Amino acid sequence: NAGVTQTPKFQVLKTGQSMTLQCAQDMNHEYMSWYRQDPGMGLRLIHYSVGAGITDQGEVPNGYNVSRSTTEDFPLRLLSAAPSQTSVYFCASSIAVYITGELFFGEGSRLTVL
Amino acid sequence: DQQVKQNSPSLSVQEGRISILNCDYTNSMFDYFLWYKKYPAEGPTFLISISSIKDKNEDGRFTVFLNKSAKHLSLHIVPSQPGDSAVYFCAARGTGGGADGLTFGKGTHLIIQP
Repeated sequence: NAGVTQTPKFQVLKTGQSMTLQCAQDMNHEYMSWYRQDPGMGLRLIHYSVGAGITDQGEVPNGYNVSRSTTEDFPLRLLSAAPSQTSVYFCASSIAVYITGELFFGEGSRLTVL
Repeated sequence: DQQVKQNSPSLSVQEGRISILNCDYTNSMFDYFLWYKKYPAEGPTFLISISSIKDKNEDGRFTVFLNKSAKHLSLHIVPSQPGDSAVYFCAARGTGGGADGLTFGKGTHLIIQP
């Protein structure tokens, strides 16, 4: 059981480039989300999805797009990368988000924007 | 404005002794509180949670205490082991039923000294 898988684990971009962070889960969780973690900060919610075809914005959505065409996948797109988007990104899924709020996290994707 | 605060960036405890990690919150509408543990280069993993209607939850060496009147919770680890060395995040679930994610503190780096 792989859980939540994120790719790539590391990426360096130049300002203005675009890229997609991939996230896949094999636990059949309806709920998926993206967080970013910056030095000295807690994790902050970027976007989330409560099921295929449904997405919504979190606390820090600017500069990011998401879509949810299948239950398994929830990609995060940076359309025009900026140095402020240098961060570690975590994808998380949940079956109990409406009960206890418990999330299962991927291992993270470290992004550097030059 | 930080709604979940972990005021100790780091904590050093001797192996075998008790580790106490603290967390304060400002939003009285939070209904679930969770603790996550994070090793370097890995995603956060769920440790223990507590409902706002309880004041204590225990799971093996880990106990979480909730003081609603003080808006304070603490995680006790007894006895502390070398493998407990990690960053611990306190998180709270908001009033959106869970879909709008968790609010995280900045984390406390626990170091277990041999």
